[in-house]
Formats: sequence, C-alpha cells, structure tokens
Amino acid sequence: DGGITQSPKYLFRKEGQNVTLSCEQNLNHDAMYWYRQDPGQGLRLIYYSQIVNDFQKGDIAEGYSVSREKKESFPLTVTSAQKNPTAFYLCASSIDLEETQYFGPGTRLLVL
Amino acid sequence: KQEVTQIPAALSVPEGENLVLNCSFTDSAIYNLQWFRQDPGKGLTSLLLIQSSQREQTSGRLNASLDKSSGRSTLYIAASQPGDSATYLCAVSGGTSYGKLTFGQGTILTVHP
Repeated sequence: DGGITQSPKYLFRKEGQNVTLSCEQNLNHDAMYWYRQDPGQGLRLIYYSQIVNDFQKGDIAEGYSVSREKKESFPLTVTSAQKNPTAFYLCASSIDLEETQYFGPGTRLLVL
Repeated sequence: KQEVTQIPAALSVPEGENLVLNCSFTDSAIYNLQWFRQDPGKGLTSLLLIQSSQREQTSGRLNASLDKSSGRSTLYIAASQPGDSATYLCAVSGGTSYGKLTFGQGTILTVHP
C-alpha cells in the first residue's frame, strides 16, 4: 500500500528536551511538508521541502528543525526553543509543489 | 498576506439535506484551491482540487466551485449522510504563497439521522 506514515501517534516531551517526529512516504513524491494544528484552528506550515537536500521555512519555523537526506523521509525536530509545542503535527507530500497534498495520520505532541 | 475564511464555523443538518460550505480568500492570485475532510484526531483527506483556470470540480455527491475574481469557493454536498460528519477545510496556494497552502479554520459539519 502506498501512503504516508507518521510515528509515534503520541509523543510526550519533558522540559528542555528535543524530540523528533518521523514522516515517511512511499508515493515517490518530491515535495514534503510539516504542518501544525492547534485546537479549533486551521493548519499552519512549519517547513517544506521541494526536493532532497533542500528545505524552506514556512510561516512558523522558529523552534523547529528538519532534514531531507532521503526522498522518502522528512523528520521534524521540536527543539527546546519551541516554548509552546503542544499541538497536532501533520506531515504531507505531493508530486511537486502546487499539486494535491496527501496527509499522514498525525502525531499528537504533549508536554509533561 | 493571504487569508482564508470559512463560513459557517459549524453546521448541523438532518440527514438528506443538501448543504453549502463557503470559503473566501483575500488574494485572488491563486494557483489552485483544495477542499479537505478531517475526521476527529485524524489526518486530512483531499476531496477536490480546483485549478485557478477551472470553475468547478465534481466527485460523487460533492461539487466545488471557484470564483477567483471574487475570492470565493463553495463546497456543495448533496443528500447529506451521517458519514459526512467531519471538519471540512479549504486551502489555497499560489501568488505570494507559492508552494504553500494557506488554510481556513474549517467548518464542523454534523449530519444527524
């Protein structure tokens, strides 16, 4: 089955800790994206990558970092600099920018 | 900066009704507009994508229209069913937001039997 997987489903972060959210796709898509969703709000773009070894900041990149070393993988690290990390994180991919985006099931990050 | 607004924020209808969800955007220089469905605690499912040169797209009981010049899109759902209950999100890309989707806050739809 082709699709996008995210892990873990739930993640708990302690004060001052960096945590990494996984996103993998086997759709052979070039573009990948990370969004954050807060309760009752739409999605906001954190980072996006048009191609391997390239990525760009979105609207709310502060306190986050990404890498794109492989076409199928786009991990997101939530650093200790992100003071309000509690949210639902969604990863997406598309054939190219401006094409239909396909979303993973999401990771819910909670702070202990 | 592109802004996307969805009205109403929530809608509750009896099964079988036809309904319309509205989406408006401030910058008409878009590349495309997408409608998504989100079930509670889940990811998004793409429903329809309308290119800026198109006026509408249809999929089953869903029909989405686009009026780029007025900055509006509607999602029409025919003969609603309880299984249609979900949050519906509108998103636009293009213009100054090339490669990025700007989302509305969504409409929470409840279809009761």
